[in-house]
Amino acid sequence: DTGVSQNPRHKITKRGQNVTFRCDPISEHNRLYWYRQTLGQGPEFLTYFQNEAQLEKSRLLSDRFSAERPKGSFSTLEIQRTEQGDSAMYLCASSLIGEGRAEAFFGQGTRLTVV
Amino acid sequence: RKEVEQDPGPFNVPEGATVAFNCTYSNSASQSFFWYRQDCRKEPKLLMSVYSSGNEDGRFTAQLNRASQYISLLIRDSKLSDSATYLCASGNTPLVFGKGTRLSVIA
Repeated sequence: DTGVSQNPRHKITKRGQNVTFRCDPISEHNRLYWYRQTLGQGPEFLTYFQNEAQLEKSRLLSDRFSAERPKGSFSTLEIQRTEQGDSAMYLCASSLIGEGRAEAFFGQGTRLTVV
Repeated sequence: RKEVEQDPGPFNVPEGATVAFNCTYSNSASQSFFWYRQDCRKEPKLLMSVYSSGNEDGRFTAQLNRASQYISLLIRDSKLSDSATYLCASGNTPLVFGKGTRLSVIA
């Protein structure tokens, strides 16, 4: 499968615990995005990388959230001291920027439930 | 004003009907526009890209009106399998999404 891959697919955690999600983008894609989606809403942008550089972070990304893409390949999103409001679907997407095209392709997401 | 706005619906249409959704955007500098389809509890899947005035793919037609800052999606001959939420996205990087329009096609 050459699509975007996310792990785990589901995560249930107790409030206050730390969680880490992984995203493996489409191999030739140079941009990787993290979004969060809650019921009835569209995906909300969190942050994105071009290769290993984190180029933009949303105001939604509090200091409890950190993302890395150490070698410009896979990325991790860590949430520290989880809160019930963090419960959401965390979506990763990747794209190949060039020749004026910007299509982003999503992984299946990690559904986080904080109890 | 939200950067991308969509009518949430739901749009309930009979099989075979033609249905159209509009999406307005506020960033006049946006160069890229997309329609994604999202099934319940699944990830968004790219349906169509719109870079110029419009795009057509089978039963689906997307049009861009830069003067009025909206894009539309037209679905002809609706199928039961078209039932989903349709997300509009605009922007260069990153994409900004609307909340989606829910479509139910009824037999």
